[in-house]
Amino acid sequence: DAMVIQNPRYQVTQFGKPVTLSCSQTLNHNVMYWYQQKSSQAPKLLFHYYDKDFNNEADTPDNFQSRRPNTSFCFLDIRSPGLGDAAMYLCATSRALGLERTEAFFGQGTRLTVV
Amino acid sequence: AQSVSQHNHHVILSEAASLELGCNYSYGGTVNLFWYVQYPGQHLQLLLKYFSGDPLVKGIKGFEAEFIKSKFSFNLRKPSVQWSDTAEYFCAVNEHSSASKIIFGSGTRLSIRP
Repeated sequence: DAMVIQNPRYQVTQFGKPVTLSCSQTLNHNVMYWYQQKSSQAPKLLFHYYDKDFNNEADTPDNFQSRRPNTSFCFLDIRSPGLGDAAMYLCATSRALGLERTEAFFGQGTRLTVV
Repeated sequence: AQSVSQHNHHVILSEAASLELGCNYSYGGTVNLFWYVQYPGQHLQLLLKYFSGDPLVKGIKGFEAEFIKSKFSFNLRKPSVQWSDTAEYFCAVNEHSSASKIIFGSGTRLSIRP
């Protein structure tokens, strides 16, 4: 009964070849996040959707894009992966409505290898 | 800009020692606060959370944290650590703004000597 599901768990891509990571949720949360986590480092927020509003972090490279076609799904597109983009990519969701908040619920992540 | 600081990068303790990990944040408005734990090779798990009410919150596995608004702090404590507490600990903050993003501190690696 996984609530935030990321596919695939492991992704190998070639240097410069576009790749898409996917995330789906069954929680009906209105906020979805994409984080990048490198070994022994903190999750770094790339961007998040608050409802349909896209919020990009100032230091997220243009190489990273995202799509959220509906409440349940969110995609991370890496247009031209470089070796430095190899990392664990974490999708998370939360609920934020008025004063109501929840914690972030994480998927198990997609480990991206760039060869 | 909102930020979260964890000043202890690596903490080494013996079993049964007491633990306190520091967390400070910079946002001046209403916040929700979290501590997550990441065991080696595993995904992030929520240890505890603060939304409102009693500033002393208790979480799983004997952990607790205290929200001190005047100090912008949310320190994590455990009176007696176990070897199984070896993990990475992350403080996270959710600001009550229109964007409502959750950002993480840099993390503290906790190593427990048996």
